[in-house]
Amino acid sequence: QVQLVQSGAEVKKPGASVKVSCKASGYTFTSYGITWVRQAPGQGLEWMGWISGYDDNTQYAQKVQGRITMTTDTSTSTAYMELRSLKSDDTAVYYCAKVDCSGATCFFDYWGQGTLVTVSS
Amino acid sequence: DIQMTQSPSSLSASVGDRVTITCRASQNIYTYLNWYHQKPGKAPKLLIYAASSLQSGVPSRFSGSGSGTDFTLTISSLQPEDFATYYCQQTFTTPTWTFGQGTKVEIK
Repeated sequence: QVQLVQSGAEVKKPGASVKVSCKASGYTFTSYGITWVRQAPGQGLEWMGWISGYDDNTQYAQKVQGRITMTTDTSTSTAYMELRSLKSDDTAVYYCAKVDCSGATCFFDYWGQGTLVTVSS
Repeated sequence: DIQMTQSPSSLSASVGDRVTITCRASQNIYTYLNWYHQKPGKAPKLLIYAASSLQSGVPSRFSGSGSGTDFTLTISSLQPEDFATYYCQQTFTTPTWTFGQGTKVEIK
């Protein structure tokens, strides 16, 4: 069965960086992309970016462009999201999700369990 | 950027009620529209893709309709496990995507 397992909660100080991992299993990692979505406390879903599973092509949301880097390690079927220069409003639960674009449209069909990142001095 | 606006922001309903949530796009997105729901402390779950296609394993009481700029998610008979927050998502601008702000469905 498809599973996405994320790394554990992090506490960071303002200005620091955080790197969250997302280990995939149960499907061919290089056939699908991975996306990252965050959710601040009590707020809605915010799309952050996408990375291809086979050629490292990326697309980032304008709001975090310049502070974010998404990478993959195909040898371990793991995706990574690094966010730099952290601010207090980066405090959120960060989710990875598998992106299926095999049909005429795309959707996020499997999600990780979420990783809480807290930014506090 | 395409903006997605859901209405209402919240609603109260009883088990067995028919519930309708709407989502409006700021420009034509054809049928590039997905619906998810999310329960507290859990990851979102895909319900409907391409405006009206039911994701495998999702109960048939969920249905989606619409095209262009106006879309609807309908729950034909609300069940206790359906109390959650519902989000629409446009995929017209793949690989960049936008979610609506969410609609919280609460118990009356």
